[in-house]
Amino acid sequence: EAGVAQSPRYKIIEKRQSVAFWCNPISGHATLYWYQQILGQGPKLLIQFQNNGVVDDSQLPKDRFSAERLKGVDSTLKIQPAKLEDSAVYLCASSLGRGIFNEQFFGPGTRLTVL
Amino acid sequence: EDQVTQSPEALRLQEGESSSLNCSYTVSGLRGLFWYRQDPGKGPEFLFTLYSAGEEKEKERLKATLTKKESFLHITAPKPEDSATYLCAVQARGNQFYFGTGTSLTVIP
Repeated sequence: EAGVAQSPRYKIIEKRQSVAFWCNPISGHATLYWYQQILGQGPKLLIQFQNNGVVDDSQLPKDRFSAERLKGVDSTLKIQPAKLEDSAVYLCASSLGRGIFNEQFFGPGTRLTVL
Repeated sequence: EDQVTQSPEALRLQEGESSSLNCSYTVSGLRGLFWYRQDPGKGPEFLFTLYSAGEEKEKERLKATLTKKESFLHITAPKPEDSATYLCAVQARGNQFYFGTGTSLTVIP
């Protein structure tokens, strides 16, 4: 079974530029999550999708961050414009459902550096 | 306020020296507590899910337990390949997920 795929793996941008990350979850997984992990910290949930609907985006900085999951499969996370404090690893995860089958499987992450 | 606290922040063990990692939590309506292992440069890898106080799960040298306020990850006779950061996460009633900051474990041969 293929795991969660993410691209790019690394990205370096200047502050105020825009950036987008892509995620392809495990086939058949209805729920998709985006996390931000700052160095030395645990992952922080940004947004959670159930199929193509948003379940929770309470910690997403909506003035600069946006995410979509078209057709309930792939997802993109965008930052526009980026700030220095956005430097982090952005992790995508998926799970089979929201109930008891909610073990999350993570991708390798995208490491973003904002200069 | 929902919160997850892990201790210690870092732990160095000799190979074969058993120990425990702690995860204490305050959350409204715990739906599940999760343990993950994270190696440098990789995403977290799922280890266990615990749903109710008194529950225990085991996998090789790892055993996870859950009470109403905390969870322990017991490592029995660790090997160098067990070196990693161990993350605890909780799922609250509203399906929000909160991670702790992790315990960095180093097992010395």
